Amino acid sequence: QKEVEQDPGPLSVPEGAIVSLNCTYSNSAFQYFMWYRQYSRKGPELLMYTYSSGNKEDGRFTAQVDKSSKYISLFIRDSQPSDSATYLCASGSARQLTFGSGTQLTVLP
Amino acid sequence: DGGITQSPKYLFRKEGQNVTLSCEQNLNHDAMYWYRQDPGQGLRLIYYSQIVNDFQKGDIAEGYSVSREKKESFPLTVTSAQKNPTAFYLCASTRDRGQGDTQYFGPGTRLTVL
Repeated sequence: QKEVEQDPGPLSVPEGAIVSLNCTYSNSAFQYFMWYRQYSRKGPELLMYTYSSGNKEDGRFTAQVDKSSKYISLFIRDSQPSDSATYLCASGSARQLTFGSGTQLTVLP
Repeated sequence: DGGITQSPKYLFRKEGQNVTLSCEQNLNHDAMYWYRQDPGQGLRLIYYSQIVNDFQKGDIAEGYSVSREKKESFPLTVTSAQKNPTAFYLCASTRDRGQGDTQYFGPGTRLTVL
């Protein structure tokens, strides 16, 4: 079992939809949770960073961490075609960071 | 502008050749990392370095080598011992030495073995 599991998709939604991206992790020692966005043939860029449980909001993006269920979510409101990319979740501790395999998202105009 | 640069963007190698991928950062970050990305497999850690002149193996170090002679530079050599080197290689850095710190990535190098 991978330490971080992520549904690879692909996921297609119409413009303006609310997108929900999810990951699960297995290591209860993980305290750092991140979401990265990666456009085709580019390096990942950090979208959201959360320490421990809770919600974090930044513009149209909301990250949620539920440590009791080991579940990580990223919500995108009012999705735009420019949001079309692969989204990588990552979880870890000070000594280790593990990435999910990524979910490919396409927002159709 | 501060950031991480990787070169070249595309690299072609014949079987049996060693090649070196460049990674430079001007963020004054302590730690640097090399990842390999294959379709559907996410990022896998090859090597990391938390301080100059020291580095540690990651999950898939076999067939790769690194050096960290300067804080700003962390080159990766893909040796002929790496059986399946065709992949997208990403370099990253963190301000502090912990991997859980925010990792900033370079634009990547796509290596193709002919």
